[in-house]
Amino acid sequence: GAVVSQHPSRVICKSGTSVKIECRSLDFQATTMFWYRQFPKQSLMLMATSNEGSKATYEQGVEKDKFLINHASLTLSTLTVTSAHPEDSSFYICSAKGAGGDYTEAFFGQGTRLTVV
Amino acid sequence: GQNIDQPTEMTATEGAIVQINCTYQTSGFNGLFWYQQHAGEAPTFLSYNVLDGLEEKGRFSSFLSRSKGYSYLLLKELQMKDSASYLCAARDSNYQLIWGAGTKLIIKP
Repeated sequence: GAVVSQHPSRVICKSGTSVKIECRSLDFQATTMFWYRQFPKQSLMLMATSNEGSKATYEQGVEKDKFLINHASLTLSTLTVTSAHPEDSSFYICSAKGAGGDYTEAFFGQGTRLTVV
Repeated sequence: GQNIDQPTEMTATEGAIVQINCTYQTSGFNGLFWYQQHAGEAPTFLSYNVLDGLEEKGRFSSFLSRSKGYSYLLLKELQMKDSASYLCAARDSNYQLIWGAGTKLIIKP
């Protein structure tokens, strides 16, 4: 199946700093990438949908100036959490979808555990 | 509104069979997914149904009834490693996944 690689898997940062998370599709071209956040014992929450070469579409309640998404190539999307605060501590997961097909979105990156201290 | 319902937690015995139900209400429908998620890890894909009926894949099977807005995941010959959360997700007319909260499955020896 399609492989999506996400880095880093864990990161601890100080409050007020920024953190960048990378999501790469290794064996297919990802025309669309999805970024999710998951708090403990809760469901996945879609943050934004990112299409290659265009601005990301953010879900209601997600601050686009705080969660910067760049999808500059067909194999890489990045999520930057700017001026991170302890309440941003969460599990962030990306998934990628290729052109056509019916469920290439089914494949996720490994996730990034962000802890803001 | 759009909604996915699945039980919060289930317990089963090693070697037994368990069925995890999921009901959904979405704006349009373009398929239903089941994922397995171990604690602290990303979800992994288990199955995809878009037509009515049963899809069998080894020890796992998934069933869909579009008219009833209903799906289930059937796990046979349960193993301890099957202890995980099982997420049901339906894809709406915009091809966006709507997620259930997940069912935590506890396997006992």
